[in-house]
Amino acid sequence: GAGVSQSPSNKVTEKGKDVELRCDPISGHTALYWYRQSLGQGLEFLIYFQGNSAPDKSGLPSDRFSAERTGGSVSTLTIQRTQQEDSAVYLCASNPVTGSYEQYFGPGTRLTVT
Amino acid sequence: ILNVEQSPQSLHVQEGDSTNFTCSFPSSNFYALHWYRWETAKSPEALFVMTLNGDEKKKGRISATLNTKEGYSYLYIKGSQPEDSATYLCAPLYNFNKFYFGSGTKLNVKP
Repeated sequence: GAGVSQSPSNKVTEKGKDVELRCDPISGHTALYWYRQSLGQGLEFLIYFQGNSAPDKSGLPSDRFSAERTGGSVSTLTIQRTQQEDSAVYLCASNPVTGSYEQYFGPGTRLTVT
Repeated sequence: ILNVEQSPQSLHVQEGDSTNFTCSFPSSNFYALHWYRWETAKSPEALFVMTLNGDEKKKGRISATLNTKEGYSYLYIKGSQPEDSATYLCAPLYNFNKFYFGSGTKLNVKP
């Protein structure tokens, strides 16, 4: 079946611009995560959605970052007034919240802020 | 923020060598440990899901052990092949469905 998809795959933007990154999780997966990997760093947790519960936003690095998940499916991560330090690969993952809790990752969006 | 440490940070081995690396994490209140394999230009994929019964997991030439009391896990690769080259991430699971990823061990296997 279809896996997790993300768009765009690459995004180059100028400092100060806003960007939106999209994630389509696997159908039926109620949990959705956003992570990012900056150059030379590990996976950094950003935000977690679970069903209709309030999202866990504890990983968002600043108030320029926000995310929403509409209808329990598609999610959009928005970065306002981008800075060069926002350059990273942004990964989305989903899981079914049952069984092994194995995470299924999307291919990522590579964001470059110039 | 929980401290999940992986070592070494990177590893270069020759084809055929066996190797292992470590993941250490706070042992209180975790209830599962995941290993993921992340190849360049691809998405991370789950290798093993390990639970509190501490069983050893094996998939072909790759195996993993888990010490639930002291909070560490070893990943072993027997007879490394170039296709094993990837970054290996561990992620203990504490809060309901929230993962904490280590920074990974980057393995390069030279033919």
